[in-house]
Parts: sequence; structure tokens; C-alpha cells
Amino acid sequence: NAGVTQTPKFQVLKTGQSMTLQCAQDMNHNSMYWYRQDPGMGLRLIYYSASEGTTDKGEVPNGYNVSRLNKREFSLRLESAAPSQTSVYFCASSTNRGTEAFFGQGTRLTVV
Amino acid sequence: QQQVKQSPQSLIVQKGGISIINCAYENTAFDYFPWYQQFPGKGPALLIAIRPDVSEKKEGRFTISFNKSAKQFSLHIMDSQPGDSATYFCAASRGTGNQFYFGTGTSLTVIP
Repeated sequence: NAGVTQTPKFQVLKTGQSMTLQCAQDMNHNSMYWYRQDPGMGLRLIYYSASEGTTDKGEVPNGYNVSRLNKREFSLRLESAAPSQTSVYFCASSTNRGTEAFFGQGTRLTVV
Repeated sequence: QQQVKQSPQSLIVQKGGISIINCAYENTAFDYFPWYQQFPGKGPALLIAIRPDVSEKKEGRFTISFNKSAKQFSLHIMDSQPGDSATYFCAASRGTGNQFYFGTGTSLTVIP
């Protein structure tokens, strides 16, 4: 049982480049999330998806887009990367009943 | 605006001592309060959680104390061990929609 799988684990981008972070879960969860983690800021929600076909903005959505491809997969796209997007990105999933969220291992992104 | 406020930012405890981390929230609609533990290079993992209908929950050396009237909850780690050294996040969510709000994290170091 892999849980939540994120790719890639590390990435360096130049300012202005684009990239997509991939996330897949095998727990049949309805809800999926993308968070960013910055020192002293905790985990901040970028986007979430309560079910296949729906997405909603979180606290810090600017500069990001998401796609809920199917129930398993939820991708995060940076169209034009900026140094302020240097962070560790976590994907998570949960049931819709307000219980445990399972996190992936994270993607460490550096924008130079 | 931080939905969940967490303190202290860092904590150093002697082996065998008690570690205490505090969180406060404003939104009375929150009905699920988990604590997550994160080791370096890993994603957060659920440690223990509580709902507001009880004032305390204990699992092994970990206890959540919940004060609904004060809108505060805390994590107590009894007999702290070096292996407990990690970053701890409190969080809160409300029923449907299941959006989690995280505190800013506490870095715990247990000295042998």
C-alpha cells in the first residue's frame, strides 16, 4: 500500500519556467490537497479538491493551478515560477468525514 | 490571518521530562483537532486527534487536553524520548469540506 505518492522529490527551476507536480493516492479517498511548507509559516493550503471534478482555492492559490484528473490523481502546476514559490510542497488525501489526512513525502522546489 | 495559533516555536526538553505544546483557535465551527508529527525529510503523520465532545484523549505517552470554552487545546508528551525529537503541528477542521488549518509548528528537541 503506497499511500500518497508525489513526484518529483526535488526540482530546481529558473524564474519563468513552468512545471507540474504530480500526486496520486491509492486509498480511494475523495478529498485531496496541496500544501506548501515554509519555515515559520507552517503548512498553508494552496488548493483542495473535495471530490473528482471539483477544486477550490485555499489560503495561497496565486501563481498555481490544479487539475483533479480522476479520483486518484491531483496535480499542481506552476505556469511561471517565481523565487517566492521556493518551498516544500506536500500533497495529502483524506475521506470527506473530517478525519485523518495522509501526506506524501513532499517535493522540495527551488526557483532561482 | 492565522486560523490556528501555536506556541512555542521551539522547545528543548530533557529525556524523561514532559513536553507541552499549545494551540488556540477562533472558529467555533471546527470539530476535529489533530496533531501531526513530522521528521526531517518526511511528510507529516497523524499522531493523535480529538473532537470537542471530550476534554482529554490519551494514547500511550501522548495526551491531548481540550478546553472548549477557552478555544484552546494542547499536546502533552510524557516521559519524552530523543526519538520524539521532531516538528509538531496542531490543526483544526470542520465537518464537510474537510479543509485543514495548521498551526505554524513546534520544533521539539529531547536531550539525552
